[in-house]
Amino acid sequence: LAKTTQPISMDSYEGQEVNITCSHNNIATNDYITWYQQFPSQGPRFIIQGYKTKVTNEVASLFIPADRKSSTLSLPRVSLSDTAVYYCLVVEAAGNKLTFGGGTRVLVKP
Amino acid sequence: EADIYQTPRYLVIGTGKKITLECSQTMGHDKMYWYQQDPGMELHLIHYSYGVNSTEKGDLSSESTVSRIRTEHFPLTLESARPSHTSQYLCASRAHYRGGKYEQYFGPGTRLTVT
Repeated sequence: LAKTTQPISMDSYEGQEVNITCSHNNIATNDYITWYQQFPSQGPRFIIQGYKTKVTNEVASLFIPADRKSSTLSLPRVSLSDTAVYYCLVVEAAGNKLTFGGGTRVLVKP
Repeated sequence: EADIYQTPRYLVIGTGKKITLECSQTMGHDKMYWYQQDPGMELHLIHYSYGVNSTEKGDLSSESTVSRIRTEHFPLTLESARPSHTSQYLCASRAHYRGGKYEQYFGPGTRLTVT
């Protein structure tokens, strides 16, 4: 399984864009990149997934460079309710195990 | 809305008791997981299963055991609870690859306190 590294914490202000970069240097050809959001006392919630290039949904965008050794989750115009922990996970296409790393604690300030 | 359920939501028990945390999902997912998480800390995978009669240990050593007799049910058992088992336990499931997404669904969690 590819190991992921992401910043421990980030602070932002309401209305700003937040970008969280995750490193996954030993990602394999068949691996996908997924991101989750977790609020206190709740289980994580799936946000977005990608394989390469850019993916966008109603919540976020995910940018993946050609070498796929990193990915960046972009949260546009954050609000206070976006304060949460964000996890980057690399998923083996045919794998069973799913391990979370430390995540990035994002604090959105008024 | 995810159809994955955990009971009980909260449990306070004394040391030495045997407990079973229940987890059920109605999505027909083959893969199921148990994570342990202390407040403000990262999730640790303690058990997972990729189908009926399959169980594997996760990354964090745990004194708990699991079983997978039915697809929809993945209970976790502690034979003799200790204060060190106090934590939140999160159950999750996912399909192998459905709708093009590798999405994992989480239950609401069981917050266990062992006194």
